[in-house]
Amino acid sequence: DAGVIQSPRHEVTEMGQEVTLRCKPISGHDYLFWYRQTMMRGLELLIYFNNNVPIDDSGMPEDRFSAKMPNASFSTLKIQPSEPRDSAVYFCASREALRANEQFFGPGTRLTVL
Amino acid sequence: AQSVTQPDIHITVSEGASLELRCNYSYGATPYLFWYVQSPGQGLQLLLKYFSGDTLVQGIKGFEAEFKRSQSSFNLRKPSVHWSDAAEYFCAVGPSDTGRRALTFGSGTRLQVQP
Repeated sequence: DAGVIQSPRHEVTEMGQEVTLRCKPISGHDYLFWYRQTMMRGLELLIYFNNNVPIDDSGMPEDRFSAKMPNASFSTLKIQPSEPRDSAVYFCASREALRANEQFFGPGTRLTVL
Repeated sequence: AQSVTQPDIHITVSEGASLELRCNYSYGATPYLFWYVQSPGQGLQLLLKYFSGDTLVQGIKGFEAEFKRSQSSFNLRKPSVHWSDAAEYFCAVGPSDTGRRALTFGSGTRLQVQP
């Protein structure tokens, strides 16, 4: 099993540009989570999906952030327009419905907005 | 609302010494508790978990944790620390007593190991 796959691993962009982060969960997992990690705020949940449906997006900071899961094997997190304060490491995680909350994390995408 | 507190932001221990990282939680029902480790530049790896049963749980890399309901604690321990254990450690609780399926993480404890 390849684990949770995220791309790109590093992204450097300029303020105002659109950024798209990608995630492929572990095959067979029903839940997918997007987290953001910063020094100031630690690890924050942004949004999570169950069977491709967004369940809780209360952690999405503002309308500039959007997430989709068009199928069970792919999700995107988009920031448009990006701002310097969006600089962080973004993690994707997934888990099976029957293995309560044992989440498996991807390696993360380090985003730098200049 | 549930919450997790890791009171120690940064801990330094000597290689070979014992280690205890503290975790306190606030939760309205029986919690599921987790410890994750994050090495520099890496994602989070599950060390161990507690769901029910024996309150002393064993994990990978020689770690263990003890669930103490009366103290609302789930402290992580290791009898002899290795230099490779230097990393950041996160305690987490879930699911939410409101039905939210996501984990709530503590702020983390950064472990430094001195030779």
